[in-house]
Amino acid sequence: RKEVEQDPGPFNVPEGATVAFNCTYSNSASQSFFWYRQDCRKEPKLLMSVYSSGNEDGRFTAQLNRASQYISLLIRDSKLSDSATYLCVPFDSWGKLQFGAGTQVVVTP
Amino acid sequence: GAGVSQSPRYKVAKRGQDVALRCDPISGHVSLFWYQQALGQGPEFLTYFQNEAQLDKSGLPSDRFFAERPEGSVSTLKIQRTQQEDSAVYLCASSLDGDRAFFGQGTRLTVV
Repeated sequence: RKEVEQDPGPFNVPEGATVAFNCTYSNSASQSFFWYRQDCRKEPKLLMSVYSSGNEDGRFTAQLNRASQYISLLIRDSKLSDSATYLCVPFDSWGKLQFGAGTQVVVTP
Repeated sequence: GAGVSQSPRYKVAKRGQDVALRCDPISGHVSLFWYQQALGQGPEFLTYFQNEAQLDKSGLPSDRFFAERPEGSVSTLKIQRTQQEDSAVYLCASSLDGDRAFFGQGTRLTVV
């Protein structure tokens, strides 16, 4: 089993709609979690950090379920500029960042 | 500089050639990571440094891959006798305390 699993998508979302997707992780020792977004042919950029049960930043909400070992990301009022691949990254106790393969989101007009 | 800097941005190598990829992390950042990203895939972990110590190199795909960070700042990823399957984007990231990491723009390696 991969350490980090994500639905590759694509999630096709009408502009203004809400989209949510999950990431499951296998390492129960993971201390904190991050969501990165990656645009085509660009480097990953940090979107949100998740340290406790969840975090909200504007239109983005991340929730952590330690018992079931998954993190979710919800995007409200989707914008065209939200089209990207979203990468889930658990941070383990050894300091290693393991990336999922990413979930592609396509926001359509 | 303000961010992580990688050079060269693009590298074309003939099969069998050795290449060296450079990463200048954000000043003062303790942790440094190297990742390999193939088209359509997420970044795959290669290796990780804390200061000059290479704590984990479990992701290096073969003994042709070697990374170093001798003074705990700049890091070099070296690939010997490049093969076509080495073609990918090589990403470097640095982190102040092993927490949030910031990426360079990557080096796109094409082996022909």
